[in-house]
Formats: sequence, structure tokens, C-alpha cells
Amino acid sequence: GDSVTQTEGLVTLTEGLPVMLNCTYQTIYSNPFLFWYVQHLNESPRLLLKSFTDNKRTEHQGFHATLHKSSSSFHLQKSSAQLSDSALYYCALSANSGTYQRFGTGTKLQVVP
Amino acid sequence: ETAVFQTPNYHVTQVGNEVSFNCKQTLGHDTMYWYKQDSKKLLKIMFSYNNKQLIVNETVPRRFSPQSSDKAHLNLRIKSVEPEDSAVYLCASSYLGGTETLYFGSGTRLTVL
Repeated sequence: GDSVTQTEGLVTLTEGLPVMLNCTYQTIYSNPFLFWYVQHLNESPRLLLKSFTDNKRTEHQGFHATLHKSSSSFHLQKSSAQLSDSALYYCALSANSGTYQRFGTGTKLQVVP
Repeated sequence: ETAVFQTPNYHVTQVGNEVSFNCKQTLGHDTMYWYKQDSKKLLKIMFSYNNKQLIVNETVPRRFSPQSSDKAHLNLRIKSVEPEDSAVYLCASSYLGGTETLYFGSGTRLTVL
């Protein structure tokens, strides 16, 4: 079945350094939709960005990701981490329109001064 | 205000009791979901309804039963709760299609003693 694999556990970064959170997926469908959701402490997940176009960079709030179907990846990046980026980040896959989004295990990003 | 509203925010109960959670969305969406977020922050789909019709029912114990009166309301009943049911239950809504952005409610935290 479909699956999403993310960078495990906790990623700790110093403020100002680049962020990269890995996301790879598996699906038999040729047109997957990929999403990144962010969940801050004591809040609900909310959409950060999404894409279904191969090799096209998607940006929002300083973060960006590019869907690469050739490597089944949708890594989340940011050039310079801020303290406020500390949160739980989920990568999600929708492999067939009309179905639900399947979430990865989540990666907790901790940005320290 | 347009959003996804959940009640109650918290519920503490004992093993074997029955509980019900409510969810309402005022976003005009036609699809609603229940996700379970466990203590490890794993986010898993439980049910999905489109216009009052059940369209997704993942492997969930039979003691869980969703109820939808119209496309704006989706409730969740748990008969005879078990300790492993302790989690945050997140309601979400979207337009039909797994490709659409999910909007989450604030969640109901269930603690089973």
C-alpha cells in the first residue's frame, strides 16, 4: 500500500542554519499529491505547502519543496531557520483523488539560539 | 467565523465507559474526517464522510462508530473505551478529494483511566 517516510524523530538546528526535512513516499499511482503540514505546540496541524507538479518548486512562508517523482521525494527546505520554526512537521500523501491523505510519522524540528 | 469546531476539548473517563465527540465545520466543505493522533504523534485516518456518506473506514475497532447528520457535522462515538484509546482525536474537513487541503479542528484529548 501507500506509505510516507520522514526523517526520524527530532532534528535540532542552530538558528540561522538551513533546514532540510526529508520525505519520501511509495505509491503505485502515477499522479500523487504531496503535502507538508506544520503543527506548533498546543495547536492543530495546518497546511504549509503542497504540490502535484513534477520538478516544480513550491514555496510558502520561507519554506520550499519540490516534488521529484523520479526519486519519490518531497523534501522540505528553508534557507535560514528561525526560533519560531520549532514545531512538528508532517509530510502527507494523497495517491488517488477521492481518497484521504496519509501522513508520515512526523519530524520534530527544534531551533535553538 | 469559519472553521472546524470540536467539543469537548478534553475528556477523562474510565475503561468501559461510552464517550461521544462532536465536530462541526462552517467552511462549506463536503468531506469530513476523523484522525487519531497518539502519544507518539502518529496521525492516522479513522473515517471519512462525504455528504453524510461513509467513504473511508480504516482498520478501526468496532467500538468506534462515526455519525453524520449532514455534511457540516461529524460525530464520533466510542463504546466501551480501552486504555489504548487515549489520544487526541482530530476532526478535519475539506472539499472532496484527497488532493484538497485539510482544515483541522482543535482536537479532543481523551484520557482513559
